[in-house]
Amino acid sequence: ILNVEQSPQSLHVQEGDSTNFTCSFPSSNFYALHWYRWETAKSPEALFVMTLNGDEKKKGRISATLNTKEGYSYLYIKGSQPEDSATYLCARNTGNQFYFGTGTSLTVIP
Amino acid sequence: NAGVTQTPKFQVLKTGQSMTLQCAQDMNHEYMSWYRQDPGMGLRLIHYSVGAGITDQGEVPNGYNVSRSTTEDFPLRLLSAAPSQTSVYFCASSPISGTGVYGYTFGSGTRLTVV
Repeated sequence: ILNVEQSPQSLHVQEGDSTNFTCSFPSSNFYALHWYRWETAKSPEALFVMTLNGDEKKKGRISATLNTKEGYSYLYIKGSQPEDSATYLCARNTGNQFYFGTGTSLTVIP
Repeated sequence: NAGVTQTPKFQVLKTGQSMTLQCAQDMNHEYMSWYRQDPGMGLRLIHYSVGAGITDQGEVPNGYNVSRSTTEDFPLRLLSAAPSQTSVYFCASSPISGTGVYGYTFGSGTRLTVV
């Protein structure tokens, strides 16, 4: 099974709230886990690439963790701002192929 | 740097017509790929290439052909368009294939409608 699952499907938060999303994936044949940010009418942009169990990455108010043994990754946003509104995609790499989840759509209400 | 350039941005085809979606990158990336994005589904891999002269199939290759004659270009061909190929198509590249340790750079997408 190669499915990557993301939850929740959509999320509305108030400006200033912190939030997190989940990406679940099969733990076998794992090479890397990617997170992308996808704003409406734009292309996905890479946020993080994680390869090792226990990896933690941070970029400003956004951070991510990886557990390859149990097959999940969390993306955290601290103090959400309206400009964080986007769809957040995760993708699992198995060598030369990536399998994307359907994304979590985040709306930050001013 | 232009990054990944896709043309056209929009296209309407009649069933049975053929066309080529163009993708070019100027970053000397080894790995290039094509995805389609449909409502309620994640990006699905159509074809990919790990270098000039080397291509392989992804999850949903039927109805599409690719070639990679240069490092820079990776065109996607629809030989006989079908309504099921109505979708948004993204080209993406990364520096090195096989390890997934580099993030993708995506093109801006081509919205294709087949009537």
